[in-house]
Amino acid sequence: ILNVEQSPQSLHVQEGDSTNFTCSFPSSNFYALHWYRWETAKSPEALFVMTLNGDEKKKGRISATLNTKEGYSYLYIKGSQPEDSATYLCAFYGDKLSFGAGTTVTVRA
Amino acid sequence: DSGVTQTPKHLITATGQRVTLRCSPRSGDLSVYWYQQSLDQGLQFLIQYYNGEERAKGNILERFSAQQFPDLHSELNLSSLELGDSALYFCASSLTGLDEKLFFGSGTQLSVL
Repeated sequence: ILNVEQSPQSLHVQEGDSTNFTCSFPSSNFYALHWYRWETAKSPEALFVMTLNGDEKKKGRISATLNTKEGYSYLYIKGSQPEDSATYLCAFYGDKLSFGAGTTVTVRA
Repeated sequence: DSGVTQTPKHLITATGQRVTLRCSPRSGDLSVYWYQQSLDQGLQFLIQYYNGEERAKGNILERFSAQQFPDLHSELNLSSLELGDSALYFCASSLTGLDEKLFFGSGTQLSVL
């Protein structure tokens, strides 16, 4: 049973456009929130680990925010490029590290 | 290359059999995680070890067991295999298993025929 929800399940974005998607998690027993990028035929790779309410992390054109009180995190991709096409996973660390089902992003050239 | 080594990469076996999947964590990492990815399923947490001790347990079947050895490598044992156990099994490691990112191995693809 996944108590980590990601939406939307998939999205298509035009090259150059910006996009964002959501990870919802329990607001109690919070320890950390992770984001991973998973390309086809590869293994998941870590983007961010956030632990504090209000945390904001940035890596190139990708950034993330965290709201632990209401139990959500947003991942933003600015100026999407075809190489951003991947499944983005979030994972909630309460008593164990549980992953959401992911948001699959397809960037159209 | 994440530094996490999983062997074998592929495994084909029959129902009722037993297999062992092996994971060597990144140098210096003390914590090892095992995840299962079945068709149309996300990454399902199985179990986590820290420095040889079990730290957290997910919905791991009783037919499955794991351990982390003194040299920090880990093995996942799957017994009485069923068709539904066919999946991609990932191992990941982190330094202490608290608030650091995970490094994933390339996975073991298990096919039960």
